[in-house]
Amino acid sequence: AQSVTQLGSHVSVSEGALVLLRCNYSSSVPPYLFWYVQYPNQGLQLLLKYTTGATLVKGINGFEAEFKKSETSFHLTKPSAHMSDAAEYFCAVSPMNYGGSQGNLIFGKGTKLSVKP
Amino acid sequence: DGGITQSPKYLFRKEGQNVTLSCEQNLNHDAMYWYRQDPGQGLRLIYYSQIVNDFQKGDIAEGYSVSREKKESFPLTVTSAQKNPTAFYLCASSPQGPGGTFFGQGTRLTVV
Repeated sequence: AQSVTQLGSHVSVSEGALVLLRCNYSSSVPPYLFWYVQYPNQGLQLLLKYTTGATLVKGINGFEAEFKKSETSFHLTKPSAHMSDAAEYFCAVSPMNYGGSQGNLIFGKGTKLSVKP
Repeated sequence: DGGITQSPKYLFRKEGQNVTLSCEQNLNHDAMYWYRQDPGQGLRLIYYSQIVNDFQKGDIAEGYSVSREKKESFPLTVTSAQKNPTAFYLCASSPQGPGGTFFGQGTRLTVV
């Protein structure tokens, strides 16, 4: 069975500092991998995704993530945090060969990012 | 603008009552999903549908029911059999292939 582990339910950084949110997955088949962001009382917004090809994926708002198969990891980074980055971030996985649609996602439990001025 | 519309945004229900949450999408996506979100639990899949008139149970389907009579619509009914229905409910849809899953703005259901 697939699973997703996000290390750290809360991460706090100073404005301008590096953001690193960790995600490890387990999957019996090569997965699709996603990062989503959620602001309070809102839905989830797709930040970036890895399907095939280049393992370093760039997303919106300056975020990027690197797929490392040997480490079964897909950590999210941003070189310089901004106050507006404060939100909850979710890593998700879906098997590539799931019935033609990748949407049946399995989520990690989320990491709340706080940004200090 | 294309997107997913969930209504209402906030919903209050008395114990023992059924309630239906609406989800409509105009993205022409084949697949639609319902997730439940509880603090510290991430998102858990309730039901999903890959085609009209067909749907499957997810991980926590007990106490919930759905229908998929139209491609655009995937309503979720929270029945009185759901023991702990207070939660944030998210509807989502996705196209065929690795296009990404798109979410509505959610409905917060509170049992009073």
